[in-house]
Amino acid sequence: DGGITQSPKYLFRKEGQNVTLSCEQNLNHDAMYWYRQDPGQGLRLIYYSQIVNDFQKGDIAEGYSVSREKKESFPLTVTSAQKNPTAFYLCASSIDSRGTVGEQFFGPGTRLTVL
Amino acid sequence: AQKITQTQPGMFVQEKEAVTLDCTYDTSDQSYGLFWYKQPSSGEMIFLIYQGSYDEQNATEGRYSLNFQKARKSANLVISASQLGDSAMYFCAMREATGNQFYFGTGTSLTVIP
Repeated sequence: DGGITQSPKYLFRKEGQNVTLSCEQNLNHDAMYWYRQDPGQGLRLIYYSQIVNDFQKGDIAEGYSVSREKKESFPLTVTSAQKNPTAFYLCASSIDSRGTVGEQFFGPGTRLTVL
Repeated sequence: AQKITQTQPGMFVQEKEAVTLDCTYDTSDQSYGLFWYKQPSSGEMIFLIYQGSYDEQNATEGRYSLNFQKARKSANLVISASQLGDSAMYFCAMREATGNQFYFGTGTSLTVIP
């Protein structure tokens, strides 16, 4: 089955530690995205990538980093510079990042808690 | 300015009744797409329905329909015959032909009352 997988589902981190969230898709989509969602809030864009080896900052990129070495993978690292990282993180992909058609497909999300 | 505005933080509807969730958008592009997603308490985002700016007819998908009023820049979601399983957060989103992002509203929490 095609889709997006995120791991782990729940993640606990101590303050000062970097942590990497995994996102893999087998939909052959060019574009991938990372969003952060806080309780009762909407989605805020962290980073997105239109093509391998290229990515752009979203609205809240500070304290996060990404890589796009393979088309199917777009891992997100939450660094110690992110002051309030406890949140729900959603990865998404779409056929491409331009044009008006083609919805985003989402992974199941990772809940990150800083202890 | 906000690209997507959802003015109803929470809505209640009686089971089997219809409900309308409001969404207005802001864009200067002539070509754009509008989307609605459902997010149950589990957190997954489920795609519901899509409307293109050049589509002349309102989109429909089963019990979901999109009331598209281009001049008013509104794209309201109508859920007919509400079911208990419809209780969730609902997000309106847009992508523009000239851009490369999806813009999401702040969501509406829908509760279906038995």
